[in-house]
Amino acid sequence: DGGITQSPKYLFRKEGQNVTLSCEQNLNHDAMYWYRQDPGQGLRLIYYSQIVNDFQKGDIAEGYSVSREKKESFPLTVTSAQKNPTAFYLCASSTDWSTDTQYFGPGTRLTVL
Amino acid sequence: GESVGLHLPTLSVQEGDNSIINCAYSNSASDYFIWYKQESGKGPQFIIDIRSNMDKRQGQRVTVLLNKTVKHLSLQIAATQPGDSAVYFCAARHNFNKFYFGSGTKLNVKP
Repeated sequence: DGGITQSPKYLFRKEGQNVTLSCEQNLNHDAMYWYRQDPGQGLRLIYYSQIVNDFQKGDIAEGYSVSREKKESFPLTVTSAQKNPTAFYLCASSTDWSTDTQYFGPGTRLTVL
Repeated sequence: GESVGLHLPTLSVQEGDNSIINCAYSNSASDYFIWYKQESGKGPQFIIDIRSNMDKRQGQRVTVLLNKTVKHLSLQIAATQPGDSAVYFCAARHNFNKFYFGSGTKLNVKP
């Protein structure tokens, strides 16, 4: 059963804590992405990775960090430096960076208490 | 850069009617477009795509129309069903790599 999985579905964070959101894909895709979704706005790109051991900042990278040690995994850490982290976070993947469709995971809703 | 917007935040239709959801983009260099469906609390699902060398593409009950002259695309859903209720948004690819996403139109299907 191929696809993209994200965990957890819901995550609660206290102010000042770092949290890590998981994203795994078994589609053999080279490229992976993290987006943030806020009400009434389009998806905004946080970080992307074109290939293993490489990643680049997107439009709103401040307060976030990522790693890409394995092709199938692209975890996102929301650090305490992110001042407004409450949002719905979506991970996506595509065959490669320059082509075609991005397929999305089910998302993680992060709430800061 | 690019900006993508939808014309209506909410659209209500009667079950069985056809739905038309619109999207405008700003950059004439955008070459590839995707429509996604997102149900509440879930990730976006791919519906249909179209490349800039096409004007129309049809899928199962869905049709996407692209008007490059006015930088507009639309998603038509035939015989709308309650299961079609969701937020629909478009994505436009610019410079062969980066996608820009619209904020979405919420489709309400009335029984």
